[in-house]
Amino acid sequence: DIQMTQSPSTLSASVGDRVTITCRASQSISSWLAWYQQKPGKAPKLLIYKASSLESGVPSRFSGSGSGTEFTLTISSLQPDDFATYYCQQHRTFGGGTKVEIK
Amino acid sequence: EVQLVQSGAEVKKPGESLKISCKGSGYSFTSYWIGWVRQMPGKGLEWMGIIYPGDSDTRYSPSFQGQVTISADKSISTAYLQWSSLKASDTAMYYCVRQGTRGGYYDSSGYYIDAFDIWGQGTMVTVSS
Repeated sequence: DIQMTQSPSTLSASVGDRVTITCRASQSISSWLAWYQQKPGKAPKLLIYKASSLESGVPSRFSGSGSGTEFTLTISSLQPDDFATYYCQQHRTFGGGTKVEIK
Repeated sequence: EVQLVQSGAEVKKPGESLKISCKGSGYSFTSYWIGWVRQMPGKGLEWMGIIYPGDSDTRYSPSFQGQVTISADKSISTAYLQWSSLKASDTAMYYCVRQGTRGGYYDSSGYYIDAFDIWGQGTMVTVSS
């Protein structure tokens, strides 16, 4: 089975920072990947699909890139609403999550 | 509005059975796969399985095969997740999800894979003696 590894597992950052989260797949199955955001006590929300396509309604400060086995989610200028946990997903397998905390 | 509405929180004892539900509205329920995702307390997301309500074709994650049963009643636009004998380790939040059409792909078995674009609000299941 494919394994998805996210790094870092926790990230401390300040409002306005540029933040990058990495997701690595154990094997190259597809260049398709999705990213989700989850806030405490809430269901996850789709941010990015097909590695780099922004879901409707998601702010443009979020972007995704990558292919093969390495993918990244970038937040260009971190906003207070962005402090949350982020998950990647490929082939129905989720990464372990990256918690973005306030520095 | 497209939405998935799940049944309420449950508190059960080990060995008991349980069936939770997920009702879709605002879209053609029979045209999209519906999946289930587990989130144990303080942990990440785990895909459990998925069903196509149009013909009840179902796939399970190897980790959950034989542990749960996924079903759907297309006449009432509702999907279900059930256990025949709960364990304390089943304590978790369970989300139903709609697999959207975001330019996904077909896996080696010919099953379509895409993003989970709509999420239910979650059903908390607590199993304790």
